[in-house]
Amino acid sequence: AAGVIQSPRHLIKEKRETATLKCYPIPRHDTVYWYQQGPGQDPQFLISFYEKMQSDKGSIPDRFSAQQFSDYHSELNMSSLELGDSALYFCASSLKGATVYEQYFGPGTRLTVT
Amino acid sequence: QKEVEQDPGPLSVPEGAIVSLNCTYSNSAFQYFMWYRQYSRKGPELLMYTYSSGNKEDGRFTAQVDKSSKYISLFIRDSQPSDSATYLCAMTGMNTGFQKLVFGTGTRLLVSP
Repeated sequence: AAGVIQSPRHLIKEKRETATLKCYPIPRHDTVYWYQQGPGQDPQFLISFYEKMQSDKGSIPDRFSAQQFSDYHSELNMSSLELGDSALYFCASSLKGATVYEQYFGPGTRLTVT
Repeated sequence: QKEVEQDPGPLSVPEGAIVSLNCTYSNSAFQYFMWYRQYSRKGPELLMYTYSSGNKEDGRFTAQVDKSSKYISLFIRDSQPSDSATYLCAMTGMNTGFQKLVFGTGTRLLVSP
C-alpha cells in the first residue's frame, strides 16, 4: 500500500540558511499534518492543512511557513535556521470524513543545522 | 506538566512475556486514544486506536482506556524481539479540534530472545 512520502530524507544546513521539506500524502488523503520531533522528545504538532487551507496551528515558529497545494502535497519552509531546529520532521496524512483520527506518518526528514 | 505522561523506560523483557505499556493524561476532553510504534529513525506507525473507555483487541495487542482514571494501556502478548521499538501513546479530542495529536514521550521496549 502507498504510504506518505517525504523528501528529502536527510538535510544538512548551516545556521541562517533556509530549508524546504516536502510531503506527499497517501493517495486520496486530503489532510496533512506536520510534526517536529527533537532528540529523545515526543512529536510536537506544528501545523495542519485540509483542502489547501490551514486547519490548525501549533507551536510553529514565525520563521516557518507551510502550505498545501492542489495535488494535496505540502511543503514546510524554514528560514533563518537555528541550531535548535535540528530535529526529525514528520508529515502525517489522513482522510477527513472517514476515519479521521487515524493519522499515517511518513518516514520523516532528518534536518541537521550546523 | 505535560498533558500526557509516559514512562520513557527502557522496559526490558524476555521473549514471550506479556508487556504492559501505560500513559496517563490530564485533560478529560481527550476522546480518541492511539498507540503508535516507532522503530529507530522511522516514522510512527499506527497500531491501534480506541474511542472513549473500553477495550480493543487486535491479534497480540490489546488497548484499554479508563477515562475515569485518565489512564490508558497497551498490552502485548507473547512479545517478540521484533516488537522492540518505542511505543508512543497519542490522543485527540474536542480540545484539539480533533486535529492535532498530543503524544506521550514514548516508552522504549526491548524484547530479548
